[in-house]
Amino acid sequence: GEDVEQSLFLSVREGDSSVINCTYTDSSSTYLYWYKQEPGAGLQLLTYIFSNMDMKQDQRLTVLLNKKDKHLSLRIADTQTGDSAIYFCAESHSGGYQKVTFGTGTKLQVIP
Amino acid sequence: NAGVTQTPKFQVLKTGQSMTLQCAQDMNHNSMYWYRQDPGMGLRLIHYSVGAGITDQGEVPNGYNVSRLNKREFSLRLESAAPSQTSVYFCASSEMVYNEQFFGPGTRLTVL
Repeated sequence: GEDVEQSLFLSVREGDSSVINCTYTDSSSTYLYWYKQEPGAGLQLLTYIFSNMDMKQDQRLTVLLNKKDKHLSLRIADTQTGDSAIYFCAESHSGGYQKVTFGTGTKLQVIP
Repeated sequence: NAGVTQTPKFQVLKTGQSMTLQCAQDMNHNSMYWYRQDPGMGLRLIHYSVGAGITDQGEVPNGYNVSRLNKREFSLRLESAAPSQTSVYFCASSEMVYNEQFFGPGTRLTVL
């Protein structure tokens, strides 16, 4: 079955860039997502990328996809304390109902 | 629009008690989901529904029943709670365009 893996923890200093990595096993994934979960809240979609894209940029966020290695990364430029949260990588297919498989989440700690 | 709402926010049960977690969405989404979130395990899908009266099992359905009486509401019932069901429960909804899921704020359930 599908599997999505992430490291559990990342610590960065305020103002530095953060890079959160994810690997997935399903080569037929169509959509790959990054969700953010702030303390005590539900997940919120940050950005997503189609599997036929290599890169997507949205303000401070850059998503890189290496489809050959099934590797997805999220780069946050100029990381702020408000970026402290858990970040989930996820994948799904297209067509009809397709469930979304979530990774275990990476807790980002931003040190002032 | 309220998005996805869940009640209650917190609940403590004794082993063997029953309860129903309520979820409602006002985005006219066809698909709704129940997940549980446990430390280090990401989100695991319990049950999902693609329309009123249509439900199906997810990854961890045992011990849970669901009901989708209309498009707006999706409830999760624990008939006989067990300590292993201590978790944070999230309801989500989506349309099928690119499967973005919208999450509720969660219910924190403790079973003693």
